[in-house]
Amino acid sequence: EIVLTQSPGTLSLSPGEGATLSCRASQSISNNYLAWYQQKPGQAPRLLIYGASNRATGIPDRFSGSGSGTDFTLTISRLEPEDFAVYYCQQYGSSRITFGQGTRLEIK
Amino acid sequence: QVQLVQSGAEVKKPGASVKVSCKASGYTITGYYMHWVRQAPGQGLEWMGWIDPNNGGTNYAQKFQGRVTMTRDTSISTAYMELSRLRSDDTAVYYCARDLEVVTATLPDIWGQGTMVTVSS
Repeated sequence: EIVLTQSPGTLSLSPGEGATLSCRASQSISNNYLAWYQQKPGQAPRLLIYGASNRATGIPDRFSGSGSGTDFTLTISRLEPEDFAVYYCQQYGSSRITFGQGTRLEIK
Repeated sequence: QVQLVQSGAEVKKPGASVKVSCKASGYTITGYYMHWVRQAPGQGLEWMGWIDPNNGGTNYAQKFQGRVTMTRDTSISTAYMELSRLRSDDTAVYYCARDLEVVTATLPDIWGQGTMVTVSS
């Protein structure tokens, strides 16, 4: 099973700032099949990025993903108030999907 | 529009089974794999497996092998997830989620609203 480790656990920033979230895999992810989800309290997760760098339908271009192999990054430029949430990375390159433990992005 | 509507909250005793339903609308259920993901209170996301509604084929996470059964009824566009021999640590919100890609298994994209399952004596 591929283990995903996200850092930091919590990120405190102000609206308008940029955010960088990291996801490291225990082994190389096939085809860079790495996704990012956003989850707000009481809501289901929302797919943001798939294939490491492809934005899902309707996702603003302030969200971008990068990386390959074992190291991946989600970047949010110019944080909006609605961006404060928990973010999960997920790999789907192996037959069994796994998620990271999440990064909480909170308002400073 | 594509929508997944799940069944209501359940309270079960340890050792019992629970069956959660997920009714799809706005698309043909046989065209997309359906994933099941759970989330314990205050915890992260845990993938349980998927079902291919076209032929009933399944792929379960190792952790749930032998305890989970995913099925579907294409005539009513509904997928099901049954978890048996429930324990207190199975208390969680259970989500169904349609795959991103047509006729292949990739990753969850469109999610249901979630079903809270509480296991308590």
